[in-house]
Amino acid sequence: AQSVAQPEDQVNVAEGNPLTVKCTYSVSGNPYLFWYVQYPNRGLQFLLKYITGDNLVKGSYGFEAEFNKSQTSFHLKKPSALVSDSALYFCAVRVHQAGTALIFGKGTTLSVSS
Amino acid sequence: DARVTQTPRHKVTEMGQEVTMRCQPILGHNTVFWYRQTMMQGLELLAYFRNRAPLDDSGMPKDRFSAEMPDATLATLKIQPSEPRDSAVYFCASGLVPLGAPSNQPQHFGDGTRLSIL
Repeated sequence: AQSVAQPEDQVNVAEGNPLTVKCTYSVSGNPYLFWYVQYPNRGLQFLLKYITGDNLVKGSYGFEAEFNKSQTSFHLKKPSALVSDSALYFCAVRVHQAGTALIFGKGTTLSVSS
Repeated sequence: DARVTQTPRHKVTEMGQEVTMRCQPILGHNTVFWYRQTMMQGLELLAYFRNRAPLDDSGMPKDRFSAEMPDATLATLKIQPSEPRDSAVYFCASGLVPLGAPSNQPQHFGDGTRLSIL
């Protein structure tokens, strides 16, 4: 079965430090991978996606993510965290040969302290 | 920027009442998704439509939930009768999916309907 795992419920980091939010996936085909962010009382907002090509993809607000096929991972990263990055982050996968729906992870709460 | 619009943003009602949530997808998008978010279960896919036809509603309790797309600009999710366990935030998302192939485009989410059933 297709699945996405975000092993950390919460990640805490100090402002200015690098951050990583982890995501691993399990699919039977080639994946399309996505990261979304959710702020309080808002819907999910698209951050970035990996489709094919360069394993390092860049997205909104200075975020980037690295696709690692051998480790089936797609970790979200940012070189220098901001307090305003504090939010709930979701990793999602869509399989090429499957339907159109995204499979979401459980989400990771990122807390950036000043 | 084009946005997915959901109404109402908040709904409080008593158990047993009918609840209708509405969604206006982004113009030109051909796929609409309904999700439910709770603290315990996280984000759950309830149903989705392509070109107004239901593709999958396996995530939806069919005895009380129903989802429709009367036209391309409106999707509805109804609960009848509502129960306290239905309390959650319900999200609508839309996307563009080409025929015969999965989409590499992201889904765009509305800001949700926060539903409280007393």
